[in-house]
Amino acid sequence: AQKITQTQPGMFVQEKEAVTLDCTYDTSDQSYGLFWYKQPSSGEMIFLIYQGSYDEQNATEGRYSLNFQKARKSANLVISASQLGDSAMYFCAMTTYSGAGSYQLTFGKGTKLSVIP
Amino acid sequence: DVKVTQSSRYLVKRTGEKVFLECVQDMDHENMFWYRQDPGLGLRLIYFSYDVKMKEKGDIPEGYSVSREKKERFSLILESASTNQTSMYLCASSPTGGTGYTFGSGTRLTVV
Repeated sequence: AQKITQTQPGMFVQEKEAVTLDCTYDTSDQSYGLFWYKQPSSGEMIFLIYQGSYDEQNATEGRYSLNFQKARKSANLVISASQLGDSAMYFCAMTTYSGAGSYQLTFGKGTKLSVIP
Repeated sequence: DVKVTQSSRYLVKRTGEKVFLECVQDMDHENMFWYRQDPGLGLRLIYFSYDVKMKEKGDIPEGYSVSREKKERFSLILESASTNQTSMYLCASSPTGGTGYTFGSGTRLTVV
C-alpha cells in the first residue's frame, strides 16, 4: 500500500524567508508521481508542483521547488521568499498505477503553514 | 476554464437519510474520485472510477457507494447517513496517465 508521511502538523515562517515542508513516501512501484497542493481557508485545492519518479532534475515552479531524493523516498517542498498569502494547508500526494489505466492519488495529513509579518 | 462542479457547497441532513453528493466535470476525463477531508487526517480516498459504470474502492469505502452512469458525472451515495459521516467531501477528476488532477470546491456535509 502507498503511504505519504508529513511529520510537521504546523510550521511558522517569517515573511520573505524560505521554508521547507517535509514529505516522505512509501511505495514498491517504480513509476509514480509526487504532487504538492495548497489549500487556503477557502477550501479549494490548488496544484503547486509535480515530480515524476523518473525525472532526474528537481521540479521548480516560480517560488516553489521540490527537493526530490529518490533513495531516501523524500519529496520536500521548498517555498522561497514567503508571502503572507502563502499561509495555508499544504498537502503532499503521490499517484501510483491502480490498473485499467487508472491512477490512485494518495495524500498525506498536511502541514499548516503560517507566515508571520 | 476547465471545471469540476460539486452541486452543493453546504448540506445538512438527518441521521438515517439517504444522501446524494453530485460531481460533474467538463474535461472529458476518464478518472473521477471522491475524498473526504477531516482535520488531522488529510484527504482519504473513498471511491474512484476509471470508466463509465466502473468503480474501485478506496481506503474508506464503508458506508458509501458510488454511481457513474455518464462519463462526466460521479455521484457519492450515503445509504443511511450517520453523524460520523459529517465531513468535507471533495471530488476530483483526471485524464489517464496519473497527472492533471482537478478538484471541485468541496461539499461540507453535516449529519445531525
